[in-house]
Amino acid sequence: AQKVTQAQTEISVVEKEDVTLDCVYETRDTTYYLFWYKQPPSGELVFLIRRNSFDEQNEISGRYSWNFQKSTSSFNFTITASQVVDSAVYFCALSERGGNQFYFGTGTSLTVIP
Amino acid sequence: DAGVIQSPRHEVTEMGQEVTLRCKPISGHDYLFWYRQTMMRGLELLIYFNNNVPIDDSGMPEDRFSAKMPNASFSTLKIQPSEPRDSAVYFCASSRTVNNSPLHFGNGTRLTVT
Repeated sequence: AQKVTQAQTEISVVEKEDVTLDCVYETRDTTYYLFWYKQPPSGELVFLIRRNSFDEQNEISGRYSWNFQKSTSSFNFTITASQVVDSAVYFCALSERGGNQFYFGTGTSLTVIP
Repeated sequence: DAGVIQSPRHEVTEMGQEVTLRCKPISGHDYLFWYRQTMMRGLELLIYFNNNVPIDDSGMPEDRFSAKMPNASFSTLKIQPSEPRDSAVYFCASSRTVNNSPLHFGNGTRLTVT
């Protein structure tokens, strides 16, 4: 079974629209960590955010915000007023305190149309 | 900090040739990971090291693949002999811990085996 599911394979939005990227995870550990990474067309993987399982506070960083809900095992990522530079593949990832690796989702390819 | 440095950025080789990918992790990071990214399989963990010691190599596809970390600032991933199905982007990443610290990725090596 997939530990991290990103059901949206591709999303297209028009510039300035808001967009939410979904991430659903599965774990039996009570302590775990969630991450989002961005992979722009240039190919590098850029770390965006980490959340601990015991910290459900939502986080906002500029136009980016993250909604962590343990009740639904989701860690969704919203981009407000999207820009062309937001076009990238976004990966959600999970690691567990009792584990030794990261589990990556299959990624969501976001295209922002000018 | 210079970040994780990988070389070469691109490698094109013929089937049967030996390929060596190189990585310099971020100073102070005790963990080093090698990942492979393909369209079909997404991001796959190949192997990871802790303090220069290989800990989990269960992701290494076959004996043609080998990885070494002779010191804290250098690692290699070698494929010998290479095959067309090895064509992929290979990422090196480093982190302070094995699970609760984010992975910091290099820019990747795009390998094409003809």
